[in-house]
Amino acid sequence: EPEVTQTPSHQVTQMGQEVILRCVPISNHLYFYWYRQILGQKVEFLVSFYNNEISEKSEIFDDQFSVERPDGSNFTLKIRSTKLEDSAMYFCASSETWAFFGQGTRLTVV
Amino acid sequence: AQSVTQLGSHVSVSEGALVLLRCNYSSSVPPYLFWYVQYPNQGLQLLLKYTSAATLVKGINGFEAEFKKSETSFHLTKPSAHMSDAAEYFCAVSGGESSASKIIFGSGTRLSIRP
Repeated sequence: EPEVTQTPSHQVTQMGQEVILRCVPISNHLYFYWYRQILGQKVEFLVSFYNNEISEKSEIFDDQFSVERPDGSNFTLKIRSTKLEDSAMYFCASSETWAFFGQGTRLTVV
Repeated sequence: AQSVTQLGSHVSVSEGALVLLRCNYSSSVPPYLFWYVQYPNQGLQLLLKYTSAATLVKGINGFEAEFKKSETSFHLTKPSAHMSDAAEYFCAVSGGESSASKIIFGSGTRLSIRP
């Protein structure tokens, strides 16, 4: 069964550092998403991406965040200068008619 | 716009008892509805989905949910709880046939199973 793959599974970074979270969506999907889940809380929408541009973003997705599809297969989320409150599980998803989620990357900012 | 309300942040049932996790939705368009399960320190696993076909949807692990438009509900049930069902359950909604429509999650219900 096709699946969305996220790497790394766990990343620890120092406050102020840049991090890039990587995702390989399902190959024939055209819509891509990032979500965030702070420990013990709900899953929150960050951004959706279609046709090489952002189609929608939430208020969480501020100037510290960016997404891109650098090579036609990977889909990345970059956080430019991490803050302690960025510590969370980040989920990538891709969609044809409904979204398939990856297993997540746990980001810990220290 | 879509939203989901899950009634009860924590539900506890005895092993073998009926599981009922409640979810009500709001959607300005015909919705797609989902239930996801999350085990500790793991990702989101799709339990089942409603995509405008049969209103009674059967999923994995013996779970099922019924779409009731008149009640704007999509409650999750399982006739007999098993210890392995202990997890966090999320109800979610998206804007139906609009493929780019994001999924909106409820706040989750933690299911505990008593021996």
